[in-house]
Amino acid sequence: KQEVTQIPAALSVPEGENLVLNCSFTDSAIYNLQWFRQDPGKGLTSLLLIQSSQREQTSGRLNASLDKSSGRSTLYIAASQPGDSATYLCAVIRGRDDKIIFGKGTRLHILP
Amino acid sequence: DADVTQTPRNRITKTGKRIMLECSQTKGHDRMYWYRQDPGLGLRLIYYSFDVKDINKGEISDGYSVSRQAQAKFSLSLESAIPNQTALYFCATSALIGVQETQYFGPGTRLLVL
Repeated sequence: KQEVTQIPAALSVPEGENLVLNCSFTDSAIYNLQWFRQDPGKGLTSLLLIQSSQREQTSGRLNASLDKSSGRSTLYIAASQPGDSATYLCAVIRGRDDKIIFGKGTRLHILP
Repeated sequence: DADVTQTPRNRITKTGKRIMLECSQTKGHDRMYWYRQDPGLGLRLIYYSFDVKDINKGEISDGYSVSRQAQAKFSLSLESAIPNQTALYFCATSALIGVQETQYFGPGTRLLVL
């Protein structure tokens, strides 16, 4: 059974710092991996999607990497800003017709 | 206008009542999903549908039922609500474009069962 783990559960860093959020999954046979952002009481917004054949994806200050063999993904946020404060969720899809499995998220707080 | 909408956005109901949460989308996606989110448990899949004639149980389907009335509409019903169904409920859609699948989420419905 695929399990997705995100550590730490919460993180506070000063504004301007670069930071890394971690995601691990138990079954390396994934189809793709997706990072989402969720603001309090709101829905999820897709940030980056990495296909299983890819190693990383970049969007602005965000960079997501994928290492299938070790079952790990990281989300790198450069030059953090208070507006980056949110919960970040990692999710994997096992196969093309399979459902998506979420981690519990990392709650990020950027200190002004 | 939002691509994925959910109604109601907030609902308070009593134990034993039947309620329906509705989801509609304008993205033209075939795949739709219902999730619930609880503090400390993350997002869990309740039901999913890959097209109008396809309904599948997710991780926690007991106590819930769904109806895919059209490609654009996917409703979730609680036949007899109980307090531990108090949660934030999300509807999502996705589509396969080539080899990529991305999920798009609605704003959520906050449900309180007394």
